[in-house]
Amino acid sequence: DQQVKQNSPSLSVQEGRISILNCDYTNSMFDYFLWYKKYPAEGPTFLISISSIKDKNEDGRFTVFLNKSAKHLSLHIVPSQPGDSAVYFCAALRETSYDKVIFGPGTSLSVIP
Amino acid sequence: EAGVTQFPSHSVIEKGQTVTLRCDPISGHDNLYWYRRVMGKEIKFLLHFVKESKQDESGMPNNRFLAERTGGTYSTLKVQPAELEDSGVYFCASSRQQGFGNTIYFGEGSWLTVV
Repeated sequence: DQQVKQNSPSLSVQEGRISILNCDYTNSMFDYFLWYKKYPAEGPTFLISISSIKDKNEDGRFTVFLNKSAKHLSLHIVPSQPGDSAVYFCAALRETSYDKVIFGPGTSLSVIP
Repeated sequence: EAGVTQFPSHSVIEKGQTVTLRCDPISGHDNLYWYRRVMGKEIKFLLHFVKESKQDESGMPNNRFLAERTGGTYSTLKVQPAELEDSGVYFCASSRQQGFGNTIYFGEGSWLTVV
């Protein structure tokens, strides 16, 4: 059973607009949540993370929001750029398990010029 | 600094055959991980080495999979005998210290197709 879910397999956004990628999780024991970005024929690369004690973390154009009560997080990209086109994996882990990352199935983002 | 390298990048084998995937982590990285993504689904953790020791192998699907890391340098993942459901992308990753997912570097993956 999937502990991290991304219900949208794909998303298309116009360049300059906001991209919102959503993620839900089932395990309330998760301590950290992460987003990875993956280009074709490459491995995933870390993008941004958030601790379970926070509700928002911002890094440039990327912001992650966490709603613990709803077991939901989202990644906002503003403004979206064509180079952001990639597969985005939501992920989570427990502090006691360090780098044993639990990934979601991914959302393919296409930013249209 | 060279990244995580994996070999082969692509492999097509018949059901019942054996395949060995190799991973060379970033130099100096004691932690090495194997993950796999099957049929476009989520990337799943397989196991974690700290140097040559298996720290966590809870994600290994069954005893057809054998991972080794002799001398604490490169690692191999052998699938014997391969089954159709083993097809997917096998990612290796490494990190210098155990962290919270933000210090892991992934390789490009080894695509395995079992026919």
